[in-house]
Amino acid sequence: AQKVTQAQTEISVVEKEDVTLDCVYETRDTTYYLFWYKQPPSGELVFLIRRNSFDEQNEISGRYSWNFQKSTSSFNFTITASQVVDSAVYFCALSGYNNDMRFGAGTRLTVKP
Amino acid sequence: GAGVSQSPSNKVTEKGKDVELRCDPISGHTALYWYRQSLGQGLEFLIYFQGNSAPDKSGLPSDRFSAERTGGSVSTLTIQRTQQEDSAVYLCASSLDPITEQYFGPGTRLTVT
Repeated sequence: AQKVTQAQTEISVVEKEDVTLDCVYETRDTTYYLFWYKQPPSGELVFLIRRNSFDEQNEISGRYSWNFQKSTSSFNFTITASQVVDSAVYFCALSGYNNDMRFGAGTRLTVKP
Repeated sequence: GAGVSQSPSNKVTEKGKDVELRCDPISGHTALYWYRQSLGQGLEFLIYFQGNSAPDKSGLPSDRFSAERTGGSVSTLTIQRTQQEDSAVYLCASSLDPITEQYFGPGTRLTVT
């Protein structure tokens, strides 16, 4: 069975601080995909990134970066120099062999000016 | 192009009534998912359709819930004899195939009184 754990329920930072959102997953599949989604206050989920299990290379996109470590079953997300517009709920998700997507409970990030 | 659309956007119903929620996926997307998001909670997987294959119904919480996808496109989620605990936002998502990112609709907010 797939499981995604986002231990941080809520995080509050001040603008320009760096913040890391943790994601730990469990799966027995050897091939799987990890995702991050953002749900802003408007409500509609927005895709941020997808990684497959064979690609552990870290990725950077502007102020966003992702650290995938199979050894610790983690796929953490860092926002550098956070901005108020980054305030949202962020979900980590896992899709395995049977394409059964499972989402974590989400981390609510509040960035204060 | 058009994204995933859902209707109605809001639905208020009395306990015990049946409701139907509709999802129009992005044209050409073979995979379609239904999720439930209770207030302040994460996404709960309900059901997954892939092409013409039998759907994965493993997430449906009870036999009062059912879904169908006609012609590989539009999907309807039906909840029979609604209960107050069914109150939530029901989200639909579609993807080009099971391993690519999902695009989410705006959701249907269901309130059972």
